[in-house]
Amino acid sequence: DAKTTQPTSMDCAEGRAANLPCNHSTISGNEYVYWYRQIHSQGPQYIIHGLKNNETNEMASLIITEDRKSSTLILPHATLRDTAVYYCIVRVANQAGTALIFGKGTTLSVSS
Amino acid sequence: DAGVTQSPTHLIKTRGQQVTLRCSPKSGHDTVSWYQQALGQGPQFIFQYYEEEERQRGNFPDRFSGHQFPNYSSELNVNALLLGDSALYLCASSLVRGPRTDTQYFGPGTRLTVL
Repeated sequence: DAKTTQPTSMDCAEGRAANLPCNHSTISGNEYVYWYRQIHSQGPQYIIHGLKNNETNEMASLIITEDRKSSTLILPHATLRDTAVYYCIVRVANQAGTALIFGKGTTLSVSS
Repeated sequence: DAGVTQSPTHLIKTRGQQVTLRCSPKSGHDTVSWYQQALGQGPQFIFQYYEEEERQRGNFPDRFSGHQFPNYSSELNVNALLLGDSALYLCASSLVRGPRTDTQYFGPGTRLTVL
C-alpha cells in the first residue's frame, strides 16, 4: 500500500500558485519524498524529490516540514498544461531494486 | 538526449495469446522497471531488471516474465492473456550507481487491449 495520503482533487486558476499537499506520517529517516505527474494516458513525468531540505528546480518547489511527516509541492505559476494527476511517493533512494509505490494521487485541474 | 522509448504504442490481442513489449532505456541508464496501469488506477510495479537479471518483483503471476539485454534494453512478455491484462504498460529506466542517481524516468507506455 502507498505510504502517502493526498487529496483526491484540487482546482487552481491559471497563473496562480498550485500548492499540492501530501501526508507521509510514517516516513523513515532514509526515505525520500518523490513527486511525479501524469497527464492523461501518458507516462508519469518526474518532477522533484527531496529528503529533508526544501528543493527547487525549473518545474516546481518541494517544501518538507521539519518533522518530515508532510510536504507540499508548489507549482508557482500554474498553466493549463499543468492539469494532471500528481503522485507523492516515499521510497528509499539509492537502494537497489526499490520500486515506486503509487497511490491514487491528486487530480489537479487548472482553469482559465 | 534520447529519453525512454517503448514499442509498440498500441496493441490488440485476444485471450490466450502471448505478447511482447519492448523498452529502450534513457541514454546512460542501466536499470529497467516495468509497471502496469489499469484504467483509473495508479501504476503497479511488475518487476525490475539490472545486469540482465530480475532483481525485484511485484505481486504478478508467472505469466509475466521479462528479459534485459546487454545493451540494457528490456522486454516484457505476458503469456495466456486475460481480459484483465488490458492496461497501459509502462517502462521506467534509472541508473543505480552513484549518489542521487536512481530516479526513475518513464516512457510513454504501450496500451494493450485484450479482447
